[in-house]
Amino acid sequence: EAQVTQNPRYLITVTGKKLTVTCSQNMNHEYMSWYRQDPGLGLRQIYYSMNVEVTDKGDVPEGYKVSRKEKRNFPLILESPSPNQTSLYFCASKSTNEKLFFGSGTQLSVL
Amino acid sequence: QQQVKQSPQSLIVQKGGISIINCAYENTAFDYFPWYQQFPGKGPALLIAIRPDVSEKKEGRFTISFNKSAKQFSLHIMDSQPGDSATYFCAASGFSGSARQLTFGSGTQLTVLP
Repeated sequence: EAQVTQNPRYLITVTGKKLTVTCSQNMNHEYMSWYRQDPGLGLRQIYYSMNVEVTDKGDVPEGYKVSRKEKRNFPLILESPSPNQTSLYFCASKSTNEKLFFGSGTQLSVL
Repeated sequence: QQQVKQSPQSLIVQKGGISIINCAYENTAFDYFPWYQQFPGKGPALLIAIRPDVSEKKEGRFTISFNKSAKQFSLHIMDSQPGDSATYFCAASGFSGSARQLTFGSGTQLTVLP
């Protein structure tokens, strides 16, 4: 089954404790992206990657890092999380006909 | 800077009624306009999409109407059903530099009453 898998689904952490949210896709898509979803603000892009070893900032990249060492994986790293990063995060990959496939989301709470 | 403005923020419709969600964009370089549907606890999923060379696209009960001159597009859900209750996002895609980027609206929470 074609899918984007992200883990964990829920994460509660404390300010300053580094964390990684993993994302993997099995569709051989070159393009992958991370979004955060906040009430009233829709989906805002954090980072995207057009291919292996190619990453670029989206609209809200501050406080986040990503890496793309393999085509299928695109982890999101918060090196020093802060409460304003409490949000619902989605990883997505994009097909050549522009269709985005989203993971099921990671609800992050930073205390 | 919000490049895609979506309204209303929430919408309540009776079963069998028509749900209408509107979006407006600013960037004339946008050339692909998808709508995504999100159920609680799930990621968004592509519902229907249109390119600006046509003014309307229909898939079952879902129709996109597109007005290029007004830079507006809308989603119409005919014969709305309780199972349509979800959050709907419009989006617009176009090249920004060398990369094609997708910009989402702020979302509309649709509730269809039985």
